[in-house]
Amino acid sequence: DAMVIQNPRYQVTQFGKPVTLSCSQTLNHNVMYWYQQKSSQAPKLLFHYYDKDFNNEADTPDNFQSRRPNTSFCFLDIRSPGLGDAAMYLCATSRDVRGGDSTDTQYFGPGTRLTVL
Amino acid sequence: AQKITQTQPGMFVQEKEAVTLDCTYDTSDQSYGLFWYKQPSSGEMIFLIYQGSYDEQNATEGRYSLNFQKARKSANLVISASQLGDSAMYFCAMRESLYNFNKFYFGSGTKLNVKP
Repeated sequence: DAMVIQNPRYQVTQFGKPVTLSCSQTLNHNVMYWYQQKSSQAPKLLFHYYDKDFNNEADTPDNFQSRRPNTSFCFLDIRSPGLGDAAMYLCATSRDVRGGDSTDTQYFGPGTRLTVL
Repeated sequence: AQKITQTQPGMFVQEKEAVTLDCTYDTSDQSYGLFWYKQPSSGEMIFLIYQGSYDEQNATEGRYSLNFQKARKSANLVISASQLGDSAMYFCAMRESLYNFNKFYFGSGTKLNVKP
């Protein structure tokens, strides 16, 4: 089945120690997203890619970086994790709807739960 | 102004009864899509149902239906015959077509608890 895969499902890191979360997809979608979600809150968009075109949200801290080496893979790098970065990180994909078709949903991975000690 | 508003932080419903989760939205686009997602405690976001702004009929998917009132800018989710497995967070989201068309705007969510 086509899907969005995130590894690892659970990640523990130490305060200030860089960490990388990965996401891969078999849907061949050209848009990929990274969200941060804290307990009982809505997902907060960090950035998204349209192909290799990177779109950063204005309020995403510089501590968060992303790479998309090809269509299938996308990485989230947290350069110096703080205690406030402990959260669920969700990767999602969708087809680009440039041209006015808003019908396509996002497809989400299972998420990576990050703990910062 | 917020794009998506969900005013019910938490809801309780008795098993086998129907429940309505509220969602209102704000957009100046003529073409947009409205989505509902379910997020169980495991964390995965599951797509439930979609309504397009030009769709004349309310969307239905099994026990889920969307009560779309365009003039009121509301897109309420109706779950019929609630089951214990419906206990989860529910998010309403919108995708516009003209600007920022690859962004999804999420509401703050409603936590639904189904009582046996």
